[in-house]
Amino acid sequence: DAGVIQSPRHEVTEMGQEVTLRCKPISGHDYLFWYRQTMMRGLELLIYFNNNVPIDDSGMPEDRFSAKMPNASFSTLKIQPSEPRDSAVYFCASRGYSSGANVLTFGAGSRLTVL
Amino acid sequence: AQSVTQLDSHVSVSEGTPVLLRCNYSSSYSPSLFWYVQHPNKGLQLLLKYTSAATLVKGINGFEAEFKKSETSFHLTKPSAHMSDAAEYFCVVSRYGSSNTGKLIFGQGTTLQVKP
Repeated sequence: DAGVIQSPRHEVTEMGQEVTLRCKPISGHDYLFWYRQTMMRGLELLIYFNNNVPIDDSGMPEDRFSAKMPNASFSTLKIQPSEPRDSAVYFCASRGYSSGANVLTFGAGSRLTVL
Repeated sequence: AQSVTQLDSHVSVSEGTPVLLRCNYSSSYSPSLFWYVQHPNKGLQLLLKYTSAATLVKGINGFEAEFKKSETSFHLTKPSAHMSDAAEYFCVVSRYGSSNTGKLIFGQGTTLQVKP
């Protein structure tokens, strides 16, 4: 398995632009998570899905952020409009039944810089 | 409420010497505890996990951790550091058996530097 695949790996954009981050979870995994990592706040859970359904989005910072999972093999995290304070590394992770309790497999991350 | 505190933000050791990364946790429930490692520009990789079985947990790459309930600690150790161990290490807690899958609480991380 290729693991959790995220794209793009790096994104530089200007304030006000729309940003879309993509994630392909491990095949067969039924949970998908989006985390954000910053120096100030460390790793924060933004939202997670179970069987493509959003279960908890309480970590989404504000309405500018949205996430979708149209099918079991694809998810997006969208920021519109983007702001400099959104600059961070965004991680996608997935978990399957065979992974064991709360064992997540992370992607390599998408580093976002908003100028 | 659950939380983890990594007692050192930065640890520096010489290659071949022991590694100790300290973690204290707080949990009202039986916790699941994990250590993840993040190498530069990479995602997080699971090193080891504790889920109420044996209190001494062995992980990958020679790392191990001991769950001590009386001390609310879950320190990560390795007998002999290797240059490739240089990375960021995260102590993580969740509620054992929690249906809130993915509600992992991450510590702030400890940067391990290994000197030749």
